[in-house]
Amino acid sequence: LAKTTQPISMDSYEGQEVNITCSHNNIATNDYITWYQQFPSQGPRFIIQGYKTKVTNEVASLFIPADRKSSTLSLPRVSLSDTAVYYCLVGEADSWGKFQFGAGTQVVVTP
Amino acid sequence: GAVVSQHPSRVICKSGTSVKIECRSLDFQATTMFWYRQFPKQSLMLMATSNEGSKATYEQGVEKDKFLINHASLTLSTLTVTSAHPEDSSFYICSAPAQGRPFGELFFGEGSRLTVL
Repeated sequence: LAKTTQPISMDSYEGQEVNITCSHNNIATNDYITWYQQFPSQGPRFIIQGYKTKVTNEVASLFIPADRKSSTLSLPRVSLSDTAVYYCLVGEADSWGKFQFGAGTQVVVTP
Repeated sequence: GAVVSQHPSRVICKSGTSVKIECRSLDFQATTMFWYRQFPKQSLMLMATSNEGSKATYEQGVEKDKFLINHASLTLSTLTVTSAHPEDSSFYICSAPAQGRPFGELFFGEGSRLTVL
């Protein structure tokens, strides 16, 4: 399973865009990139998944460069409720669900 | 949407006793469920994969005789922490994939906080 590296923490103000970059230098051809959000004392929640280029949903965007060695989760116009830990995971369908969570990025949004 | 529910959400027990945690998929069937453990300020650690109708698969370093997993039906998996000790105090979380969703989209339970006195 590809190892991921993320910043430990990021601070932001309400209304700003937050971009979290994850490095996964040894990503394999069959690997997808998935991001999760976790609030304290809750289970994680799926945010977005992608393979290459850009993926957007109602919550976030995921940018993946051509070499796929990194990815950036973009949270537009964050609010206080976006304060959480964000995890970047890399894995393939054959190891479906057997994700190894890294340390994650603690995002703190202040007024 | 798919919902996974855990019970109990909090449990306190005495050292040496056993505790059972249930994980249910409420509106979908889950032939596979995953169990994680999370210590304070740390990330989730995958403990085992629960398979309906067969034995669970444990991650390296996880004692299968201490953490008993039973996947009794397509909607229920249980984790029993046997002879619990204070070092087993942790946040236990289960997850399950739902059919028709991206393979990376797991639905997580609310978690169960175990405190062993």
